Amino acid sequence: NAGVTQTPKFRILKIGQSMTLQCTQDMNHNYMYWYRQDPGMGLKLIYYSVGAGITDKGEVPNGYNVSRSTTEDFPLRLELAAPSQTSVYFCASRPDMSAIQYFGAGTRLSVL
Amino acid sequence: QKEVEQDPGPLSVPEGAIVSLNCTYSNSAFQYFMWYRQYSRKGPELLMYTYSSGNKEDGRFTAQVDKSSKYISLFIRDSQPSDSATYLCATLKETSYDKVIFGPGTSLSVIP
Repeated sequence: NAGVTQTPKFRILKIGQSMTLQCTQDMNHNYMYWYRQDPGMGLKLIYYSVGAGITDKGEVPNGYNVSRSTTEDFPLRLELAAPSQTSVYFCASRPDMSAIQYFGAGTRLSVL
Repeated sequence: QKEVEQDPGPLSVPEGAIVSLNCTYSNSAFQYFMWYRQYSRKGPELLMYTYSSGNKEDGRFTAQVDKSSKYISLFIRDSQPSDSATYLCATLKETSYDKVIFGPGTSLSVIP
C-alpha cells in the first residue's frame, strides 16, 4: 500500500534555481493538494486539484505552479526559488465525497 | 480572525495523564471535524473524524464537538510516550468539499 508518495525527501536549492516536487498516489483519488508547513504556522494550502486537468489556487500560490495531466500525479513546480520558500511541503489526496485527506511523508526544502 | 484557532503549546504531561486538546472555529457552516496526528518529520495522519455535534470514542481517544460554542476537543486517556506528537484539528464545510481548514497544531510531549 504505497498511498501518497513524494520525492525527493530533502533538497537544498540556491536562490534563483528551479525544481519540481513530485507527488503520486495510487488510490485513484480525484482530489489532490499541496501544502507548505512552516514552524508553528500549520498547513497552508498552495494549490489543489479536483481532477485531471483541473487545478486552482489555494491560500499561498505565489512562486509556485502545478499541473495535473493524470489522476495519479500532481507535481509542484518552484520557479526562481527564494529563501521564503524554505519549508516542508506535503502532498495529500482524498476520495470523492469524503473529508479525509491522506498525506505523503513530505519534502524538506531549503533555499540558500 | 482565523477560521480555526488552536493553542500551539508545547504541552508536556506525565505518562498516564488525561490530555485535553482544544480548537475553536469561526464559521458556523463547518460540519465535518477531524483530528490529525503528526509525528516529527512525518506527514499528518487522520486520528479521529466526526460529523456535526457530539462525541466519538476510539480506544483511549475521544473527540467532542460543541457547535453551539464552536469548540472542538480531543481527549486522550492514559496518555503514553507514543502519543508525543503534534495534533492538528481540521474542519470542512458540508457544501464545499474542496478545501479543508487546518488549525496550526498543538505540540504534545508525554514524559515517561
